[in-house]
Amino acid sequence: AQTVTQSQPEMSVQEAETVTLSCTYDTSESDYYLFWYKQPPSRQMILVIRQEAYKQQNATENRFSVNFQKAAKSFSLKISDSQLGDAAMYFCAYRSTNQGGKLIFGQGTELSVKP
Amino acid sequence: DAGITQSPRHKVTETGTPVTLRCHQTENHRYMYWYRQDPGHGLRLIHYSYGVKDTDKGEVSDGYSVSRSKTEDFLLTLESATSSQTSVYFCAISEIWGAEQYFGPGTRLTVT
Repeated sequence: AQTVTQSQPEMSVQEAETVTLSCTYDTSESDYYLFWYKQPPSRQMILVIRQEAYKQQNATENRFSVNFQKAAKSFSLKISDSQLGDAAMYFCAYRSTNQGGKLIFGQGTELSVKP
Repeated sequence: DAGITQSPRHKVTETGTPVTLRCHQTENHRYMYWYRQDPGHGLRLIHYSYGVKDTDKGEVSDGYSVSRSKTEDFLLTLESATSSQTSVYFCAISEIWGAEQYFGPGTRLTVT
């Protein structure tokens, strides 16, 4: 069975600085998807970024980018120029190409942004 | 934002009572999911649906049942609520296999 691990329960960053959130996963599959979701205090789950395992190029979305290391089974999220609105819980998630498309989530990392 | 609503948004109920949560979508997406969120566990899949009347179990399905009689509605039922089912419940939808999932606003359920 696949597992997702986020080893940093809490992180803190100064406004305008860069922070990296870590995520590792375990799978025997070669084809899959990885996601980062953001959950602010409103509780809404917001998709931040998506990575297909067959793509070597790291995904980027504005200030958000990932470092996808397939061999190491690592999928970290980098937030550049951090803003107060980035403060939230961040979840890493794995999705197999079968098994009904379910997402397997990590435990989450709570990010605080200091002004 | 994807058109997903959940009702009720908050509910307090007593142990042993039946509870039904509703997820409604206006996107005509084929796939629908129910997750629960508990501290220290992230989100875990309860049940999912891959079409009208087509459902399957997730990793924490015990004590829950689902039904999908229309594309737009996915119901989650707790036949006899227990305190261990106190949680935040999220519905999610996905258009096609492999696509990202979009989440509803969540329902906070408290079982006393």
